[in-house]
Amino acid sequence: KAGVTQTPRYLIKTRGQQVTLSCSPISGHRSVSWYQQTPGQGLQFLFEYFSETQRNKGNFPGRFSGRQFSNSRSEMNVSTLELGDSALYLCASMAGTFMNTGELFFGEGSRLTVL
Amino acid sequence: AQTVTQSQPEMSVQEAETVTLSCTYDTSESDYYLFWYKQPPSRQMILVIRQEAYKQQNATENRFSVNFQKAAKSFSLKISDSQLGDAAMYFCAYRSANNAGNMLTFGGGTRLMVKP
Repeated sequence: KAGVTQTPRYLIKTRGQQVTLSCSPISGHRSVSWYQQTPGQGLQFLFEYFSETQRNKGNFPGRFSGRQFSNSRSEMNVSTLELGDSALYLCASMAGTFMNTGELFFGEGSRLTVL
Repeated sequence: AQTVTQSQPEMSVQEAETVTLSCTYDTSESDYYLFWYKQPPSRQMILVIRQEAYKQQNATENRFSVNFQKAAKSFSLKISDSQLGDAAMYFCAYRSANNAGNMLTFGGGTRLMVKP
């Protein structure tokens, strides 16, 4: 069974640009969540999608947005990039629904550098 | 809001020895889940062990076990017979049982080094 796949793995952007990151969950998984990992702030929850609906949202500005498609693949978008957006963006998928204690499976992440 | 604190930024252990990583959390909820995740240098996070707050028995997975003290809001990870492959960042994480979804709150992480 293929794991969580994130693309691209590495990318470099300049301030003011926008970026779109993609995540393909494990087959059959309906929940996809996104996390930002930085040395200063650690791992922070961005948002979670389940069956194409945003179920939870972290405390990030509106420049950060996401969506989920009918095949459960998810994208996140960051507009008007700032230097502080440089981070490793991790995607995680889970099979379960409400109150599920199932395991989160993480991808290897997309390393974004903003110059 | 819940917070998770890992007070040890770095730890080291001799191969085959035992090491304990600390984690404390703050919550007003009574029902929740706690996790330890491992992030090796390749970056892919993997679940090490999980604990349901309503269970008094401490979770165990092979060489990994936890000491869950609900009243003290403490959740430490013990790694026995440490191996070189255990070297990684370890993150403690909290998840509410009252929220539909799988939002995790992570601690700052502990870097574990294993000496041969």
